[in-house]
Amino acid sequence: EIVLTQSPGTLSLSPGERATLSCRASQTVRNNYLGWYQQKPGQAPRFLIYAASSRATGIPDRFSGSGSGTDFTLTISRLEPEDFAVYYCQQYGSSVYTFGQGTKLEI
Amino acid sequence: QVQLQESGPGLVKPSETLSLTCAVSDSSISSGFYWAWIRQPPGKGLEWIGSIYHTGVTYYNPSLKSRLTMSVDTSKNQFSLKLTSMTAADTAVYYCARTLYDYYFDYWGQGTLITVSS
Repeated sequence: EIVLTQSPGTLSLSPGERATLSCRASQTVRNNYLGWYQQKPGQAPRFLIYAASSRATGIPDRFSGSGSGTDFTLTISRLEPEDFAVYYCQQYGSSVYTFGQGTKLEI
Repeated sequence: QVQLQESGPGLVKPSETLSLTCAVSDSSISSGFYWAWIRQPPGKGLEWIGSIYHTGVTYYNPSLKSRLTMSVDTSKNQFSLKLTSMTAADTAVYYCARTLYDYYFDYWGQGTLITVSS
């Protein structure tokens, strides 16, 4: 089973700044089957990015994903107040899905 | 816009079996997607439980496989989960979700909190 480790655990930034969140896999993520999700308190996760770098439908272009193999990054170019939340990466491999432990993006 | 709605008991006693159902609307459950259960213990991260196709093909998280059964009812456009031998460690918000391209979860239900307590 592939373990995903996200860093940092907490990221403190201000609106308008750039956020860079990291997700590292314990093994190569096959075909870059890597997704990102945003979760706000009391809500279900929201699907942001798939295939490491493709934005899901309706996701603003300030969100971008990059990376391959074992190292992946979610970048939010200019933070809006509504972007402060917890972010999870997720991978699929060998019929198993795993999530990272999350990065909390706080003001 | 696909909508998913979980339903379940809210409270389960230790050693009992949890039964949850996810009703899918604005999309046919037979439309070529896998459907999944995912849970989140209070204050913790996300854990995939298992996935099912409309034909009944399933695959489960190895850590839960011995206690888990998933099923699908195409006539009611819903799918279900049964998890046996519940313990306090199974206390979590349980989400159902649609799987996009077999690899990602694009639509989620609002979640239902299941508490295991006597």
